[in-house]
Amino acid sequence: QKEVEQNSGPLSVPEGAIASLNCTYSDRVSQSFFWYRQYSGKSPELIMSIYSNGDKEDGRFTAQLNKASQYVSLLIRDSQPSDSATYLCAVDLGGYQKVTFGTGTKLQVIP
Amino acid sequence: DVKVTQSSRYLVKRTGEKVFLECVQDMDHENMFWYRQDPGLGLRLIYFSYDVKMKEKGDIPEGYSVSREKKERFSLILESASTNQTSMYLCASSSPGPEYNEQFFGPGTRLTVL
Repeated sequence: QKEVEQNSGPLSVPEGAIASLNCTYSDRVSQSFFWYRQYSGKSPELIMSIYSNGDKEDGRFTAQLNKASQYVSLLIRDSQPSDSATYLCAVDLGGYQKVTFGTGTKLQVIP
Repeated sequence: DVKVTQSSRYLVKRTGEKVFLECVQDMDHENMFWYRQDPGLGLRLIYFSYDVKMKEKGDIPEGYSVSREKKERFSLILESASTNQTSMYLCASSSPGPEYNEQFFGPGTRLTVL
């Protein structure tokens, strides 16, 4: 079965530290990868998309993709309490125009 | 900004009722999606549509149907609501390119079936 896997957490980091969130996926032909942030009771919000191997940076966020290892990660630098949320990884598991979501990692940033 | 709106934030229905959930997007996106989200199970795709009047089953279509008569509007229908359909329902839309598969979500409808 095609899957997107994430550690459910919670991942606790102190304020100002780097938070590292990881995601593995099962389909070698996947081409598009996404990170969403979801606050409790709210809908997911797209924060990063990545399509090529390597790193992609946007402000405090860096997405890292390694297709050979079927691994995508999200680094959050200078973590803030407002970053406390559940982070969802999404991958197109070979499906055209649709993605599969992981169950999410809960991040807690401790002041 | 992409805007996806859903007809209700909270909805309470009785078992056996027919339920309509509506979703509208204003970005001229071709693709629209309906998910449900349950604790521990994550987001699961119910149906999606890549064009007007086109629909495809997702992972859990049983008990649901959809309608897309206009490009901007995608409706989810629960033909006969059951208690196991109590969930958060999320609508999303995306464009086929160049940043393909980027999905933007509406605020969600929390449906309770009694």
